[in-house]
Amino acid sequence: AQSVTQLGSHVSVSEGALVLLRCNYSSSVPPYLFWYVQYPNQGLQLLLKYTTGATLVKGINGFEAEFKKSETSFHLTKPSAHMSDAAEYFCAVTINTNAGKSTFGDGTTLTVKP
Amino acid sequence: DTAVSQTPKYLVTQMGNDKSIKCEQNLGHDTMYWYKQDSKKFLKIMFSYNNKELIINETVPNRFSPKSPDKAHLNLHINSLELGDSAVYFCASSLDARGKLFFGSGTQLSVL
Repeated sequence: AQSVTQLGSHVSVSEGALVLLRCNYSSSVPPYLFWYVQYPNQGLQLLLKYTTGATLVKGINGFEAEFKKSETSFHLTKPSAHMSDAAEYFCAVTINTNAGKSTFGDGTTLTVKP
Repeated sequence: DTAVSQTPKYLVTQMGNDKSIKCEQNLGHDTMYWYKQDSKKFLKIMFSYNNKELIINETVPNRFSPKSPDKAHLNLHINSLELGDSAVYFCASSLDARGKLFFGSGTQLSVL
């Protein structure tokens, strides 16, 4: 079984400041890790994913995340927040043996202040 | 062309009614899903189909019955709707069981 914990249900940053959204996972086998973003009244869309290989992955809109196996973490960062980044962010884990069952974290609401 | 489309976008109905939500994907994916997002934005998988075959059936009441007539379509029928069924239901698809998910825009179900 796998699980995901997103630390901080609400994160508020000023425009231009660093964005850091935290995600820790639990998995008995090597996981596939994803970050999704959900804008109001829309479905989720993929920001980035880690499967194998390079542990620092770059995604859309200037976001990146680093897979740290020793810390079981996959934190999402962006150097400089834009107002348009305000949304709900979900971390998800999928493992190979679980027939496509992605487990999602509870989400983090990102607010960007002008 | 919308990759994953679901209808209707909004559904308002009375307790006890039966309703259906339809989903279609034009991505050629083999795997389709239904997810439920509650009022606190928690997202939970309900069902997963791979090439028309049910592969994941989470602890969902029997009142919920998915149907996949072909691998591009996955519909969700709900019998005897209850207040607690009010939520946003998302359809999604993926190329395979480990791939990224493509989500529809959701169906907001309100049971009065």
